[in-house]
Amino acid sequence: DGGITQSPKYLFRKEGQNVTLSCEQNLNHDAMYWYRQDPGQGLRLIYYSQIVNDFQKGDIAEGYSVSREKKESFPLTVTSAQKNPTAFYLCASSTRQGSNTGELFFGEGSRLTVL
Amino acid sequence: AQSVTQPDIHITVSEGASLELRCNYSYGATPYLFWYVQSPGQGLQLLLKYFSGDTLVQGIKGFEAEFKRSQSSFNLRKPSVHWSDAAEYFCAVAPFSGGYNKLIFGAGTRLAVHP
Repeated sequence: DGGITQSPKYLFRKEGQNVTLSCEQNLNHDAMYWYRQDPGQGLRLIYYSQIVNDFQKGDIAEGYSVSREKKESFPLTVTSAQKNPTAFYLCASSTRQGSNTGELFFGEGSRLTVL
Repeated sequence: AQSVTQPDIHITVSEGASLELRCNYSYGATPYLFWYVQSPGQGLQLLLKYFSGDTLVQGIKGFEAEFKRSQSSFNLRKPSVHWSDAAEYFCAVAPFSGGYNKLIFGAGTRLAVHP
């Protein structure tokens, strides 16, 4: 079955440590996205990529980094510079048309807790 | 600035009762409009979308939504709620820009269903 796989589902990190969240899709989608979800705030865009080897900052990119070396993979690194990293992180993908219309397919999320 | 407002943070209904979740957007033109649903600890799933044409759109799981241009609203409805509908519901807009469309999410409405 096609879909988006995020791992790990739960992750605990000590302050000052970087952590990388994995996102893999086998939908052959061109575009991929990372969102952060906090209670009562909806989803906020961290980074997005419309094509391999290219990505753009979203609304809250500070303290995060990404790479897009392969079409199916879009890992997110939460660096120690991110002041409040505890959150639920959602990866999404879309077709090229979907990136114009806003139709996204989501993974099941990764919950990061900083101790 | 473009924004999406979901006035109801939390709604409780009885199983079998009708449901309406409100969504208002702020944008000069008619954007693309979406409703997504999120079960606890899961990613988001697209319920329905409106691009143009008939202002009453049907979605999955028996949901429908009506676009009202005069009220800048896109309310979600279901005639008879099932216990499995308990989830968080997000309204989203993608302001048409001819290129990449950033999806703007509302803060969400959490639905509880009483047996």
